[in-house]
Amino acid sequence: EAGVAQSPRYKIIEKRQSVAFWCNPISGHATLYWYQQILGQGPKLLIQFQNNGVVDDSQLPKDRFSAERLKGVDSTLKIQPAKLEDSAVYLCASTGLAGGQTQYFGPGTRLTVL
Amino acid sequence: GESVGLHLPTLSVQEGDNSIINCAYSNSASDYFIWYKQESGKGPQFIIDIRSNMDKRQGQRVTVLLNKTVKHLSLQIAATQPGDSAVYFCAEKTGGGNKLTFGTGTQLKVEL
Repeated sequence: EAGVAQSPRYKIIEKRQSVAFWCNPISGHATLYWYQQILGQGPKLLIQFQNNGVVDDSQLPKDRFSAERLKGVDSTLKIQPAKLEDSAVYLCASTGLAGGQTQYFGPGTRLTVL
Repeated sequence: GESVGLHLPTLSVQEGDNSIINCAYSNSASDYFIWYKQESGKGPQFIIDIRSNMDKRQGQRVTVLLNKTVKHLSLQIAATQPGDSAVYFCAEKTGGGNKLTFGTGTQLKVEL
């Protein structure tokens, strides 16, 4: 079974530029998560989707971050404009059932904002 | 606020020894706990989980212990191997959704 796929693996941009990350969850997984992991810290949830609907986006900085999962499969996370403090690894995870199931993570996208 | 934290940021062990990684949590309403292993440049990898109605759960070379009285979680790795070198995170789930709150992690270093 293929795991969670993410691209790109690395991205370097200048502040105030925009950037987008892509995630394809494990086939059949209805729930998709985006996390931000700053160096030396644990992952922090940004947004959770159930199919194509948002379940929790309470920690998403909505003035600059947006995410969508239009067809309930793959998802895109966008930052516009980027700030220096957005430098982090952006992780995508998915689960098969809502509530209590293991979250499987992708390899992440390492973003560096200069 | 509620948080999940680890006592030791770095743990060094000799190959073949047992490792114990500790985690303290403060939300007594948490009903599910999970340990992840994260190697450099990779995403977190599931190790083992435990529900709040259990005190102990064993996997292959790993055991998780949950002490709800003192809100403490530990991960025991038997016969630690060089491949176990990584950062280990505990995470807790609270409420009906599947939102996980992660601790800051412990770096495990296995010395030959």
